[in-house]
Amino acid sequence: SQQGEEDPQALSIQEGENATMNCSYKTSINNLQWYRQNSGRGLVHLILIRSNEREKHSGRLRVTLDTSKKSSSLLITASRAADTASYFCAEDTGFQKLVFGTGTRLLVSP
Amino acid sequence: GAGVSQSPRYKVTKRGQDVALRCDPISGHVSLYWYRQALGQGPEFLTYFNYEAQQDKSGLPNDRFSAERPEGSISTLTIQRTEQRDSAMYRCASTQGVNPPVKRETQYFGPGTRLLVL
Repeated sequence: SQQGEEDPQALSIQEGENATMNCSYKTSINNLQWYRQNSGRGLVHLILIRSNEREKHSGRLRVTLDTSKKSSSLLITASRAADTASYFCAEDTGFQKLVFGTGTRLLVSP
Repeated sequence: GAGVSQSPRYKVTKRGQDVALRCDPISGHVSLYWYRQALGQGPEFLTYFNYEAQQDKSGLPNDRFSAERPEGSISTLTIQRTEQRDSAMYRCASTQGVNPPVKRETQYFGPGTRLLVL
């Protein structure tokens, strides 16, 4: 499989805590993207970080990128029950198709 | 419509039957993508179109799978002689444009079609 790997595979936290998910990818990238998938719904684009960027913020989300290690992390601060979902990283290698990771299942308990 | 739509949302079929899955992208979006997602995995690329031209079909598993987008809008993914291993969620996505690259970076996904082959 060409898919990247994410860890942990599953994460369970309490509301208000921070959640960190890591992604390792395999190829050179133009950018790396994070998507969220709620149960029964489609994939929703969260944030994009370009290969020349090291950190990016969007609301309660913070993404870092280390191209030397081919890794990225997604931090969700002050988590809410509504953040419960699966989170996927996706590599954009410039060939107009995304290569998704295996995903992290996040459970946020009230 | 406001977003990408797919139909049917659920499809149950018997092994050996043909199925056609439809994707209606966001109006005006140039590029359209098909992915397949197995349970517990991330989506895997199948094929994509710019306008009506199929640009890359390297992800199609075998020749039972085909896709078309004849008028550069709606697309159909067809699976012939379905097999149980074809059971999965089939997802469609579209992007605004091809150039500049920023117009194609964010893919907007539909709700998917869950296919079950018995």
